[in-house]
Amino acid sequence: GAVVSQHPSRVICKSGTSVKIECRSLDFQATTMFWYRQFPKQSLMLMATSNEGSKATYEQGVEKDKFLINHASLTLSTLTVTSAHPEDSSFYICSGTFSYNEQFFGPGTRLTVL
Amino acid sequence: SQKIEQNSEALNIQEGKTATLTCNYTNYSPAYLQWYRQDPGRGPVFLLLIRENEKEKRKERLKVTFDTTLKQSLFHITASQPADSATYLCALGYSSASKIIFGSGTRLSIRP
Repeated sequence: GAVVSQHPSRVICKSGTSVKIECRSLDFQATTMFWYRQFPKQSLMLMATSNEGSKATYEQGVEKDKFLINHASLTLSTLTVTSAHPEDSSFYICSGTFSYNEQFFGPGTRLTVL
Repeated sequence: SQKIEQNSEALNIQEGKTATLTCNYTNYSPAYLQWYRQDPGRGPVFLLLIRENEKEKRKERLKVTFDTTLKQSLFHITASQPADSATYLCALGYSSASKIIFGSGTRLSIRP
């Protein structure tokens, strides 16, 4: 199956700093990439949908100025959490797709904001 | 808004038995429904997809049914093994967009 990588796998930062998470599709071109957030024992909540070369579409309640998404190429999307606070601590997962069917998920990034 | 419910938070099954997980939704029916497996601290892994015009799909020991009248999908694992222990997520997809909506998941434990 198609492979998606995320970097870093874990990050710990101080409150007020910005953190960038990379999502790469390694062996396919992802026309669309998705960013999810998952709190402990909860399901994945979609944050935004991004298509290569265009602005991301954010879900209701997700601040676009706080969670900056850049989809610069068909194999790379980045999520930057700006001015992170402890409540932003979560498991962030990206996925890529080249059809409207199957999504291929990355391994996730554990963000801890102190 | 669409609401997705998965039968219970946790399910304990004896090894060798069939595990059956339920996914119910409200409101409008999806164009397709997917099942994923998620292990702790990992991203979900795709298992099966079933479309609205399909009643049943099989893959090895897995079987998925889709009843648009009941607004329900059932996910079966036959001859269950301890390695099947994980959280299973159902997700609904709509043809107008490629995004999918996840259910809350069911944590399945298979005891030897």
